[in-house]
Amino acid sequence: DTEVTQTPKHLVMGMTNKKSLKCEQHMGHRAMYWYKQKAKKPPELMFVYSYEKLSINESVPSRFSPECPNSSLLNLHLHALQPEDSALYLCASSLRDRDSYNEQFFGPGTRLTVL
Amino acid sequence: GNSVTQMEGPVTLSEEAFLTINCTYTATGYPSLFWYVQYPGEGLQLLLKATKADDKGSNKGFEATYRKETTSFHLEKGSVQVSDSAVYFCALRGSYIPTFGRGTSLIVHP
Repeated sequence: DTEVTQTPKHLVMGMTNKKSLKCEQHMGHRAMYWYKQKAKKPPELMFVYSYEKLSINESVPSRFSPECPNSSLLNLHLHALQPEDSALYLCASSLRDRDSYNEQFFGPGTRLTVL
Repeated sequence: GNSVTQMEGPVTLSEEAFLTINCTYTATGYPSLFWYVQYPGEGLQLLLKATKADDKGSNKGFEATYRKETTSFHLEKGSVQVSDSAVYFCALRGSYIPTFGRGTSLIVHP
């Protein structure tokens, strides 16, 4: 299984809602990532988890809260988002976070719209 | 810090034309280099990679050679198809935070 899955595929939420994005991989990867991608732009790194511990937070606002319950799952909890947070949210994984020669495997993304 | 520079798109070609998408990089140490492709409405997929100087990555007719002397990793394909229409991202990984280029949109007409 060389796949990263993400749910939901689409999400529309109001600024007062609380929702969660879910990501799953069963490749035995110990590094997992959240990215935000705006239209016609490259992915922007948000968070990195290494062996289920948060290792990088790229100064992301606290309305985004990541969680890694186990080595296969990664969640992104959303609360009080702003319309400018509307974007494609990509999850990725790689064997380890410090191996420069290993590629990342990306999920298909969650298209988030904040009204 | 690390950086990746890609040619600005869109690149518009007719089917069976030759493709080159330029990518140059700045990095300390010995990074690995990657090309990812993103089809509309999808995530990024690895297209090819090279982990050391003079390595050539290849996949699905695409090729790129890691040139340390010119700090380049240009993507080439001899004969593009309509199905190759997508956005292509050059990326490097020197430490554990990957660095992506801006992306180059490729449009192939029948």
